[in-house]
Amino acid sequence: NAGVTQTPKFQVLKTGQSMTLQCAQDMNHNSMYWYRQDPGMGLRLIYYSASEGTTDKGEVPNGYNVSRLNKREFSLRLESAAPSQTSVYFCASSNLAGEWNEQFFGPGTRLTVL
Amino acid sequence: AQTVTQSQPEMSVQEAETVTLSCTYDTSENNYYLFWYKQPPSRQMILVIRQEAYKQQNATENRFSVNFQKAAKSFSLKISDSQLGDTAMYFCAFKWAGNTPLVFGKGTRLSVIA
Repeated sequence: NAGVTQTPKFQVLKTGQSMTLQCAQDMNHNSMYWYRQDPGMGLRLIYYSASEGTTDKGEVPNGYNVSRLNKREFSLRLESAAPSQTSVYFCASSNLAGEWNEQFFGPGTRLTVL
Repeated sequence: AQTVTQSQPEMSVQEAETVTLSCTYDTSENNYYLFWYKQPPSRQMILVIRQEAYKQQNATENRFSVNFQKAAKSFSLKISDSQLGDTAMYFCAFKWAGNTPLVFGKGTRLSVIA
């Protein structure tokens, strides 16, 4: 099993450009999450999808949109990138089954907006 | 909103010594979980240890143990016999029961010195 995969690993954008970060999991998990990590800020939740067909805003949703394409895939879109969106983006997934609902993380995408 | 506070931005420890990382959190709920994640330079998020709020016994995983003080809302991580490979960012995280997102602290950068 690959676990949680993210593409691309690195990306450089110019201000105003758009792009989509892709995330896929092969663990049959119900829930998926997008976080961003900035220096000195820890990881902050952007959006999450508790189950296929639902999405909810997290702490820092402005400037982002998400799509839960199917149970496996959860994408994050930047419509008009801004330098403030320079960050490392992590996707994670978890399952209702099991006591812990432990989240499994992807390797991250480092995004730079110039 | 839940908050997680890590008051030590950076710490260092000699190899083979013991170090304790602090974490406090704020919640009015009774059913929740606490985690410590390690993030080495590779950026991968690695679960180190976890604790259920309703369990009084402190969790232990090999050289890693926690001191969970529910009334004080404190969840510190003790690393015994520190190794060079323990050098990393450490994040404390909180979540409610169920498929809910994690709330992270800002992290503590730990350096293990030979």
